[in-house]
Amino acid sequence: EIVMTQSPATLSVSPGERATLSCRASQSVSSNLAWFQQKPGQAPRLLIFYASTRATGIPPRFSASGSGTEFTLTISSLQSEDFAVYYCQQYNDWPPKFGQGTKVEIK
Amino acid sequence: EVQLVQSVAEVKKPGESLKISCEGSGYIFSRYWIGWVRQMPGKGLEWMGIINPGDSETKYSPSFQGQVSISADKSINTAYLEWSSLKASDTAMYYCVRPYGSETYYSAWLYWGQGTLVTVSS
Repeated sequence: EIVMTQSPATLSVSPGERATLSCRASQSVSSNLAWFQQKPGQAPRLLIFYASTRATGIPPRFSASGSGTEFTLTISSLQSEDFAVYYCQQYNDWPPKFGQGTKVEIK
Repeated sequence: EVQLVQSVAEVKKPGESLKISCEGSGYIFSRYWIGWVRQMPGKGLEWMGIINPGDSETKYSPSFQGQVSISADKSINTAYLEWSSLKASDTAMYYCVRPYGSETYYSAWLYWGQGTLVTVSS
């Protein structure tokens, strides 16, 4: 199984600042990497697929990059609605495991 | 509009059986795999397994193999997750999910059900 490792576990950021989240795969997943956002009491929402493609309706302040084993999600200017937990997930291999999540909290 | 609508919350006792459901609409149900994801209280997302409703082929994550059973009835566009003997550690939110791409599970999992909360307590 491919292990997905996210860092940091918690990121404290002020509104309007940039947030950078990292995700590392234990072996190459090519560009088959997704990012999800989950707010309390809600189902996860797909933000990014194919490592850098925004899903429908996702604002451009969310951007992502990477391939192989190293990936990054950047939120350029944090809005109040962006404080949430973010998960990466690989879908290059079975099972399509998630990272453990990064909580983005208000500083 | 694609929708996955899950069955309501359940409260069960240890040792009891349970089958929860996920009804798909707005697309051709048999053409897309359906997956199940567990989220224990305050924890992250864990992949349980998937099913191809077209032919009922299933795949399970090693951690969940033999612990649950996934099935589907394509005539009523519904997938199921079943336990034969629940444990307190099965207490969690369970989500059904559908990928972006048809006839493959190597795809971003775009659509999520609203979740079914299962509570197992004596």
